[in-house]
Amino acid sequence: EAQVTQNPRYLITVTGKKLTVTCSQNMNHEYMSWYRQDPGLGLRQIYYSMNVEVTDKGDVPEGYKVSRKEKRNFPLILESPSPNQTSLYFCASSSQVLRTGELFFGEGSRLTVL
Amino acid sequence: QKEVEQDPGPLSVPEGAIVSLNCTYSNSAFQYFMWYRQYSRKGPELLMYTYSSGNKEDGRFTAQVDKSSKYISLFIRDSQPSDSATYLCAMRDNYGQNFVFGPGTRLSVLP
Repeated sequence: EAQVTQNPRYLITVTGKKLTVTCSQNMNHEYMSWYRQDPGLGLRQIYYSMNVEVTDKGDVPEGYKVSRKEKRNFPLILESPSPNQTSLYFCASSSQVLRTGELFFGEGSRLTVL
Repeated sequence: QKEVEQDPGPLSVPEGAIVSLNCTYSNSAFQYFMWYRQYSRKGPELLMYTYSSGNKEDGRFTAQVDKSSKYISLFIRDSQPSDSATYLCAMRDNYGQNFVFGPGTRLSVLP
């Protein structure tokens, strides 16, 4: 089954404790991206990657890091999480991003930072 | 002013009603317009995609783009309870890989 898999789905952590949210896709997509979703603000892009070893900042990159060492994986790293990073995070992938704009989303990772 | 505005709702309609969902935007460079549907506790999924101005129909769904007014719409005919979800508009320009999403409109279709 074609899918984007995120882990963990739910996480409660404390300020300053480094964490990684993993994202993996099995569709051989070149493009991958991370979004956060907050009430009233919609989906905002954090980072995106057009291919292996190529990453770029989105609209809200502060406090986040990413890496793209393999085509299928695109982990999101919070080196020192803060309460304002409490949010619902989505990973997405696409092979048609410059044409139809079809993004395939994972099921989301709800993060709470205390 | 936000780049993309969308009434958050919630919007409640009876089954069988025609639903109109709308977004306005400020960036005249946007050329690609999309509607995503997001069920509760799920990721968004692409519903409709339109390039530049005009209409596009797919079953019970019609997407309209009016670039002169910077206004896009999604119409749902014969709405069903299974259409109950949050609807997100999204757009981008010719060059960017950055999609700009609206905040979403929550729709409830009552049996």
